[in-house]
Amino acid sequence: DTAVSQTPKYLVTQMGNDKSIKCEQNLGHDTMYWYKQDSKKFLKIMFSYNNKELIINETVPNRFSPKSPDKAHLNLHINSLELGDSAVYFCASSQGVAGGTYEQYFGPGTRLTVT
Amino acid sequence: GQSLEQPSEVTAVEGAIVQINCTYQTSGFYGLSWYQQHDGGAPTFLSYNGLDGLEETGRFSSFLSRSDSYGYLLLQELQMKDSASYFCLGRTGFQKLVFGTGTRLLVSP
Repeated sequence: DTAVSQTPKYLVTQMGNDKSIKCEQNLGHDTMYWYKQDSKKFLKIMFSYNNKELIINETVPNRFSPKSPDKAHLNLHINSLELGDSAVYFCASSQGVAGGTYEQYFGPGTRLTVT
Repeated sequence: GQSLEQPSEVTAVEGAIVQINCTYQTSGFYGLSWYQQHDGGAPTFLSYNGLDGLEETGRFSSFLSRSDSYGYLLLQELQMKDSASYFCLGRTGFQKLVFGTGTRLLVSP
């Protein structure tokens, strides 16, 4: 069974479109995250939710909106896509309150290409 | 700003020992984790230091010194499969997480 799953795995779209990436975890964890990994492999946290509550909201354009319908799901919606949004987006989950001190389990990533 | 600096690339041969440093330029540091990422894959957890000192997990060990503002990951008995990128992840404040710049490890025969 996949612990953290993301869909889709690949996403190719044009500038200006709106797209969503879905994430689900079956580990019973309380906390979920979205990370962005750019072409230089830098990983940056975007958001974190604990029990459906937003607890980390880094400096990210407001075109990015996370939604957590329940603690097992954290989706990422992106409006008006730009070329600079091209990256790999990773979802992750961990037990306990987000603090980086707990082992995080990452999904396989979604490679977003904006043309 | 807060940043965790790592060497960009380290090379070593099979069977060797390699140390990957993670130094940070921020005040207040609450813990350091290490992750491994193979090309095309997702980061996977290796170790965590919440207190100063050494943590050992098989061939991998991790060390943290908050007074010296640095930590490291030590990989022993290197194998070809250890070729990957390694990232430190620091908790730099209340619900503040920062990944290191990443180190690409190349292990040769």
